[in-house]
Amino acid sequence: AQSVTQLGSHVSVSEGALVLLRCNYSSSVPPYLFWYVQYPNQGLQLLLKYTTGATLVKGINGFEAEFKKSETSFHLTKPSAHMSDAAEYFCAVSVPQAGNMLTFGGGTRLMVKP
Amino acid sequence: DTEVTQTPKHLVMGMTNKKSLKCEQHMGHRAMYWYKQKAKKPPELMFVYSYEKLSINESVPSRFSPECPNSSLLNLHLHALQPEDSALYLCASSPSTLGRPTEAFFGQGTRLTVV
Repeated sequence: AQSVTQLGSHVSVSEGALVLLRCNYSSSVPPYLFWYVQYPNQGLQLLLKYTTGATLVKGINGFEAEFKKSETSFHLTKPSAHMSDAAEYFCAVSVPQAGNMLTFGGGTRLMVKP
Repeated sequence: DTEVTQTPKHLVMGMTNKKSLKCEQHMGHRAMYWYKQKAKKPPELMFVYSYEKLSINESVPSRFSPECPNSSLLNLHLHALQPEDSALYLCASSPSTLGRPTEAFFGQGTRLTVV
């Protein structure tokens, strides 16, 4: 079975600072990895995904993530935080052997200070 | 059209009421999902429909009854709910449960309050 661990349920950064949200996964087969963002009382919006190929993946709103197989990680970064980035972020894993179901991490709430 | 539309956005119901949540997508996706999300928690999978057939029921109480009338529509019928069932209910769709995984597209959710 696959699982996802997001280190840090809350992360606070200053506006303009680097954003780093950590995600580690466990999977016995090559995983497909996703980052979703959720604003209050909204659904989940896909930020970016890793399937195969290039390990550095760029997404929307200036976010990117790097798949590191040796570290079983898929950390999300953004060079410069904006107030509008304040939201809940979920890392998720999916594998074909599990019917492509998304397994979510516990989520990280990003707070951005002015 | 890459939208998943859920109605209503908000719903307040008594414990003896019967209500339904609706979800619609026109992306030609053949997998549709219901998730329940409590505050400050990740979404929890409730049901999966694959090609209009129920393929996964994650031990959800029978007071929740899903229905997939066609490939574009997904309903969740609610009856005799409890206050602890209050949550954000999310619908999602994806191309298929087979083959290579792809992202799921989520609706905006229905905020359900049981009184």
